[in-house]
Amino acid sequence: ETGVTQTPRHLVMGMTNKKSLKCEQHLGHNAMYWYKQSAKKPLELMFVYNFKEQTENNSVPSRFSPECPNSSHLFLHLHTLQPEDSALYLCASSLGTSGVREQFFGPGTRLTVL
Amino acid sequence: DQQVKQNSPSLSVQEGRISILNCDYTNSMFDYFLWYKKYPAEGPTFLISISSIKDKNEDGRFTVFLNKSAKHLSLHIVPSQPGDSAVYFCAASPGTASKLTFGTGTRLQVTL
Repeated sequence: ETGVTQTPRHLVMGMTNKKSLKCEQHLGHNAMYWYKQSAKKPLELMFVYNFKEQTENNSVPSRFSPECPNSSHLFLHLHTLQPEDSALYLCASSLGTSGVREQFFGPGTRLTVL
Repeated sequence: DQQVKQNSPSLSVQEGRISILNCDYTNSMFDYFLWYKKYPAEGPTFLISISSIKDKNEDGRFTVFLNKSAKHLSLHIVPSQPGDSAVYFCAASPGTASKLTFGTGTRLQVTL
């Protein structure tokens, strides 16, 4: 595997379900990010992790719970979501959170909440 | 309050011609700008970037121009190819990689 991978690619869940999104980066980066992309809106930064520590939470509702066990893996745990949470969830990584600015993205998980 | 704006949601260009995608920003703290390309069912792919200390950066068919006084940047693709058909996102950073602010994207269609 190369780059940034995300699983699952598609997810349909009910409002009472609990599910998790997984992201893995194979680039040797130290920073990882979760973004949300809703239709006709810009990518919205949700969380930032640097060396496994959360450095930013962009006022995300608590029904989204991130986890970063190491610099290569990032999870987004979902519970009691709302239909308006349906969106494309993108994971990204970068060398760090300063200096080199380029972030590398995974293919995303298309989430539908019924 | 959208700090990075791409006012053209779509653009159609003939193959071989120049494609010009525009981006405006409002935050004077932005000092690094990036363009990403996105195909359907894929994540955004980094294309080219420019620091605020420069006004032009070129990489093959892609050139990014920065006009700091106008708070405007543009991406030129010459010559345009059908494989360039994608959504292009402009992004800006104020000094840390964790603070990328994205525009809404411009869908480029390169026709034969």
